[in-house]
Parts: sequence; C-alpha cells; structure tokens
Amino acid sequence: SQQGEEDPQALSIQEGENATMNCSYKTSINNLQWYRQNSGRGLVHLILIRSNEREKHSGRLRVTLDTSKKSSSLLITASRAADTASYFCATPPPQGGSEKLVFGKGTKLTVNP
Amino acid sequence: AAGVIQSPRHLIKEKRETATLKCYPIPRHDTVYWYQQGPGQDPQFLISFYEKMQSDKGSIPDRFSAQQFSDYHSELNMSSLELGDSALYFCASTLGTGTGDSPLHFGNGTRLTVT
Repeated sequence: SQQGEEDPQALSIQEGENATMNCSYKTSINNLQWYRQNSGRGLVHLILIRSNEREKHSGRLRVTLDTSKKSSSLLITASRAADTASYFCATPPPQGGSEKLVFGKGTKLTVNP
Repeated sequence: AAGVIQSPRHLIKEKRETATLKCYPIPRHDTVYWYQQGPGQDPQFLISFYEKMQSDKGSIPDRFSAQQFSDYHSELNMSSLELGDSALYFCASTLGTGTGDSPLHFGNGTRLTVT
C-alpha cells in the first residue's frame, strides 16, 4: 500500500523561484528520504531526515518533518533549469527490520529558464 | 566512484518470451533491491537480497524470479512476458544496517518493452 503521497503532482516555476513539495505518509516512521529522478534515469538520494529531527539543510535543499501531522516538505531555493526532475519521498516500511523503501507518487518539477 | 551497473540498458521482447536483467551493485554493498517503475508511476518494490539471501519480497509476480550470486551481482529473470511488464526496472544497492536508514544507490535502469 502507498506509504507516501506527494503534492502537488506537478509544479512549474521560473528559474530563481523557490519550489516546495509536500509528502504525507500514513504510519510511524524512523526516517524519511527524498530522491530525485531525471526523466528515464535512476533515482538519486538527496537527503534523509530522521524522526527526531524537524529540519535539515543540504545546499539549496531544506527538508522539514512534522511527525504529528505525518508530513514532510522539500524546499528547493533559487531553482535552476537543471532542477527539472521528479522528486519522490520514501520511507522504510512501518514494521521495520528492512531497508526497502516505499516511494510516494512523486512531484514532477519543471523549472523554466 | 563506482555506481550500480545495470544491463542491458534497453530490451525489447515479445509476449511470452523470457528476459534476464543484470545488476552489479556498488562494491562492498551487501544488499540489492529490484524496483519496477511503470510510465508516470512511482517505483514499486519487487524483491531484495542481503548477503545473497532473499531478504524481502514485494509485488513480484510468480513469473519473475531473482537471485544474488557469490560475487554479489543479481539477476532478475522474467518469463511469460506480458504487455503490462513493459516498464523501467531499477536495481539499487546499499550497505544494510537493518534499520532502514541507509540511502539506496540506484542504477540507471533497464527499459523493458514487451510487444
């Protein structure tokens, strides 16, 4: 069953603007990860936030986690055309004991030059 | 740095044929995952191996089987192919901790087209 759901499904912005993508999940988690996927390519890990963390930064990326609302957001600041990709949140299964990740449906981001 | 290598990159098969996809994980990674991604869909977990033993199983059809060999490479075998099997198949590897906090490293996938 789907663990993470992203919104919006698609987002189109101009270069230089910020992009915010949201992810909601259903059960308790140990961590939440964000991945990026260029069209037809493999997914690339961006950032991992643990359940005891509220915010994490990596370069132009900022991730927040609200375990009370079971939601996370990914903010990309000062976007560039090269940020055009699909972004997925992913969580390990609630029962633990496994490394497998369950992915959400993703947000397709288009950054227009 | 070495990445996850998948072959072939593209594969075209007819219905009812068989296909074998190969995956070479990052050296010293002990866990391999297979995912299937349909057009516009999120990746769906198929199966995983830890130290050459099957560790988890997802929505993998009975027509599919997989194994991990002594050199840690993995193969996904698909038989009696159906049109609906057309998808991108990804392999990912990681150094497993058992706590689900290891990032997965993905290959660039095999695009399977069944005609």
